[in-house]
Amino acid sequence: EAQVTQNPRYLITVTGKKLTVTCSQNMNHEYMSWYRQDPGLGLRQIYYSMNVEVTDKGDVPEGYKVSRKEKRNFPLILESPSPNQTSLYFCASSLFGGTDYGYTFGSGTRLTVV
Amino acid sequence: GEDVEQSLFLSVREGDSSVINCTYTDSSSTYLYWYKQEPGAGLQLLTYIFSNMDMKQDQRLTVLLNKKDKHLSLRIADTQTGDSAIYFCAESTSGGSYIPTFGRGTSLIVHP
Repeated sequence: EAQVTQNPRYLITVTGKKLTVTCSQNMNHEYMSWYRQDPGLGLRQIYYSMNVEVTDKGDVPEGYKVSRKEKRNFPLILESPSPNQTSLYFCASSLFGGTDYGYTFGSGTRLTVV
Repeated sequence: GEDVEQSLFLSVREGDSSVINCTYTDSSSTYLYWYKQEPGAGLQLLTYIFSNMDMKQDQRLTVLLNKKDKHLSLRIADTQTGDSAIYFCAESTSGGSYIPTFGRGTSLIVHP
């Protein structure tokens, strides 16, 4: 089944403890992206990647890192999480970006930083 | 920069039509999308329209694009309780490397 898989689905962590949220897609998509969703703010892009070893900042990149060493994986790294990074995170992928293929989204990771 | 605006809430009665509206600012928008997010799930692409089209129909869904006013709408005919969800409008442009910009989402509530 064609899908974007994120892990974990739920995570509670403490301030300052490094964490990684994994994202994997099995559709050979070029584009991958991370978003955070907060009430009243909608979806905001954190980072995106248009190909292996090519990443770029989105609208809210502060406090996050990403890497794209292989086409299928695009992990999101929080080196020192803070409570303001408590949010619902989505990974998404697309064949050629937002053209007529649109984006396929993962099921989300709900992160709580205490 | 690009901006996509939507109203936050819409409440309709089951069986009525729903119309969700969206405005955007980037006149070079090439693709415009509607995504649906059900509770506890990720976004799912519902439909899209290319900028050289005025209208697109897909079963109960009708998308209308007014390029002059930069206005996009999604009409859901015979709205059902299963249509209750958050609907996101999004646009992408070649100048933006086709990275979509999303609106804040409209929560559609369908009541009996």
